[in-house]
Amino acid sequence: SQQGEEDPQALSIQEGENATMNCSYKTSINNLQWYRQNSGRGLVHLILIRSNEREKHSGRLRVTLDTSKKSSSLLITASRAADTASYFCATGGNQGGKLIFGQGTELSVKP
Amino acid sequence: GAVVSQHPSWVICKSGTSVKIECRSLDFQATTMFWYRQFPKQSLMLMATSNEGSKATYEQGVEKDKFLINHASLTLSTLTVTSAHPEDSSFYICSALRRELADTQYFGPGTRLTVL
Repeated sequence: SQQGEEDPQALSIQEGENATMNCSYKTSINNLQWYRQNSGRGLVHLILIRSNEREKHSGRLRVTLDTSKKSSSLLITASRAADTASYFCATGGNQGGKLIFGQGTELSVKP
Repeated sequence: GAVVSQHPSWVICKSGTSVKIECRSLDFQATTMFWYRQFPKQSLMLMATSNEGSKATYEQGVEKDKFLINHASLTLSTLTVTSAHPEDSSFYICSALRRELADTQYFGPGTRLTVL
C-alpha cells in the first residue's frame, strides 16, 4: 500500500524558477528518500534525510523533514529543462530496508 | 557508484508463456533485493522482498505462485512471471540494498513487459 501523498501531482514551471514538491506520510519512519525517474526509466536516488535531521542540501536540491507533521519537501532551485522528470518520495522504516513510495510529482520545466 | 542491471530491458510475449527477468548488482553484494511493479503514470508498488538464500517475502495481494522470485546469489535475483496474461503487462523494477549503506536502495533500469 502507498505510504502517503505527494503534491502537487503535476507541476509546470519555466527554466530558472524554483520547484517545490511536498510529501506527506502516515507512519513513523527511520528515513525519507527522494528519487527521480525519467519517463520509462529506472529510479535515481537523489537524497536521503534521516528522521533526526530537519534539513539537507545537495547541489541545487534542498530537502526538509518535519516529523511532527509527517511531511517533507523537496526544493529544486534554478531549475533546468533537464530536471523534467517524475519525483518520488519514499519512506523507510525498520523493516529491513523496505521503502514505501508516494504517488509522485510530475515536473515539467519549460526552456 | 553502485550499479544494478536488469535483463531484458523489454520483452513481448504471448499470453500463457512465462517470462524471467534478471536483476544483478554489478559492483556490490546485495543480501536484499526488492521487486516493484509500476503502471503508467503511477507510483512504484512493492511486490516482494528477496533475501539471498531464503524465500521471498511477498506483499499483500501479490500471488507468490504467479510471481516466482529466486535470489540464488549475493548479486542476482530473478523474477519469473508465470503463465503471463495481458493484465501482467507492466514496468517491473528491481532494487538492491547495499550492505554497507543499508538505507540506500539502488534501482535497476526496469523491464517493460508486454503480454499479447
